[in-house]
Amino acid sequence: RKEVEQDPGPFNVPEGATVAFNCTYSNSASQSFFWYRQDCRKEPKLLMSVYSSGNEDGRFTAQLNRASQYISLLIRDSKLSDSATYLCVVKRQVTGTALIFGKGTTLSVSS
Amino acid sequence: NAGVTQTPKFQVLKTGQSMTLQCAQDMNHEYMSWYRQDPGMGLRLIHYSVGAGITDQGEVPNGYNVSRSTTEDFPLRLLSAAPSQTSVYFCASSYSEDSGEQYFGPGTRLTVT
Repeated sequence: RKEVEQDPGPFNVPEGATVAFNCTYSNSASQSFFWYRQDCRKEPKLLMSVYSSGNEDGRFTAQLNRASQYISLLIRDSKLSDSATYLCVVKRQVTGTALIFGKGTTLSVSS
Repeated sequence: NAGVTQTPKFQVLKTGQSMTLQCAQDMNHEYMSWYRQDPGMGLRLIHYSVGAGITDQGEVPNGYNVSRSTTEDFPLRLLSAAPSQTSVYFCASSYSEDSGEQYFGPGTRLTVT
């Protein structure tokens, strides 16, 4: 079983829609959680960290459920510019380890 | 600041050739890493470094060497290129190994024929 699993999509939604992505992780020692965004043929960039209490950044809401080892990202009022691949990322509480990336979920927003 | 820079952007190699992918950052970050990204596989860690003079293996280190003689530079060497090494290579850096925010370079697209 992969350490971080995501539904690859693609998710095809119209502008203004609300869309949610889910991610599960298998290692209970995972310490920190993030969502990265990757545009086509570009490098990944940090979108937001995910905190236990849940957090918002504008139209984006991230939630974490440690008991179920589940992370989500909700995008409200989708824009054309939200079209990208969203990567779920976890970091274990072990010195010397890097980030573990999911394969990503592709979102396509159409007008 | 230029951030993380990588050269070359594109490269075609023949099987058995060797080459070095260059990576540099000007943010004084201690932590640097190399990933490869393949369709359907996601990003996989090749090697990483927690500071100058210190390197370690990641998930897929075979066929690659790294060194970290300065804080700024972290080159990745392909010893004898194989078609299985055809991929997009990303270098990344962060302030420390505990940081979740890694800054990625624009990538090198490598094809091995």
